[in-house]
Amino acid sequence: QITLKESGPTLVKPTQTLTLTCTFSGFSLSTSGVSVGWIRQPPGKALEWLALIYWDDDRRYSPSLKSRLTVTKDTSKNQVVLTMTNMDPVDTATYYCAHSRSFDYWGQGTLVTVSS
Amino acid sequence: QSALTQPPSASGSPGQSVTISCTGTSSDIGGYDYVSWYQQHPGKAPKRVIYEVNKRPSGVPARFSGSKSGSTASLTVSGLQAEDEADYYCSSFADSNKFVVFGGGTKLTVL
Repeated sequence: QITLKESGPTLVKPTQTLTLTCTFSGFSLSTSGVSVGWIRQPPGKALEWLALIYWDDDRRYSPSLKSRLTVTKDTSKNQVVLTMTNMDPVDTATYYCAHSRSFDYWGQGTLVTVSS
Repeated sequence: QSALTQPPSASGSPGQSVTISCTGTSSDIGGYDYVSWYQQHPGKAPKRVIYEVNKRPSGVPARFSGSKSGSTASLTVSGLQAEDEADYYCSSFADSNKFVVFGGGTKLTVL
């Protein structure tokens, strides 16, 4: 069955770079049509789409955050990495990774707090 | 790329039906049949309950149904049950399939 799990720091300082890893099983990112997305949710607020990476290494980013985001994949490790630069307290959120463009399977999420 | 518009709240009594709307534009909902709906209980990850406008994943009760008219999508929950109380979010592809956009979420209360 498909599972995903996010990992990374729980606390980052303002201006630092956040690096999150999504480790998954039950599918391969080298299979045609497969994609993994990143979504975040500030406490008490709505979901916000961040990025998508496809099997062919095509990458899509939220226009409002594009300058700060990078998503990469390591097919051999079954991992997707999201990097977000210049973190700010408003970036405090639970960050999720999910399988496919319609997000049919989600990780449990990881809460990242931005504070000095 | 703006968020899709959902009512902040909706409610119904057990056994009743409730419909939640999700309004976008011709660049997102109106342009693609790739609308999804997600249910999120407090402290939990979202769960997809509808995809491609009106398809139900296996395991999702038939009480959940989706539709679309123009640039507005709708999620209907029939025969409301206490466990349906949750936040619901819509999403759609946008701008030539380049992006994904979410709605602001609707809190469904079962009275």
